[in-house]
Amino acid sequence: EVQLVESGGGLVQPGESLRLSCSASGFTVANSNVNWVRQAPGKGLEWVAILHAGSNGYTDYGESVKGRFTVSRDIPKNTLYLQLNRLRTDDTGVYYCARRVPFSGMDVWGQGITVTVSS
Amino acid sequence: DIQLTQSPSTLSASVGDTVSIACRASHSIGNWLAWYQQKPGKAPKLLMYKASSLEAEVPLRFSGSGSGTEFSLTVSSLQAEDFATYYCQQYNSYPWTFGQGTKVEIK
Repeated sequence: EVQLVESGGGLVQPGESLRLSCSASGFTVANSNVNWVRQAPGKGLEWVAILHAGSNGYTDYGESVKGRFTVSRDIPKNTLYLQLNRLRTDDTGVYYCARRVPFSGMDVWGQGITVTVSS
Repeated sequence: DIQLTQSPSTLSASVGDTVSIACRASHSIGNWLAWYQQKPGKAPKLLMYKASSLEAEVPLRFSGSGSGTEFSLTVSSLQAEDFATYYCQQYNSYPWTFGQGTKVEIK
């Protein structure tokens, strides 16, 4: 079964850091484009980042997280990571990882993990 | 960045109705548009890609159309399980963006 499972969320203070994990099964992250998408409480979806398939692991980021968030992967563990630095209160929300297949949308999503940034 | 504007923001309908949701892009995105359905507390679900291609196992009552800057999602003969929030998303250029969402609620 193709599946994504996020972990690592929690409550942090503004300015602190957090690392989210996205464990994949049923497919290989090295050969897939995997995204992070977030949703603030009661709000819509916001695309955060993508790590492209292939050996170079090319990345793209949304403007609001560029320079603060970093996406990476561990191929042997078949896991994607999102490092969240210099967190702000408006980074609070549910974070999803999602696979995208070529020329299509994001077809497999994790269950989501909650990040709360508050003092 | 490409802005996506959905209309309406909320849509009240009854079971059996046919409803349409519009999505307008600030710049041409070809047909690189996806539609998602999201229910409360759940992850989004892919419905359509490349504007008019139906994702596997999605009921045929869902259809999409459009290209360039004007797109729409139509749900024919609404079923109880279709009451949800719908989002369009462009993947023509980075950063990818979503519309603000359209909530389809029971009249």
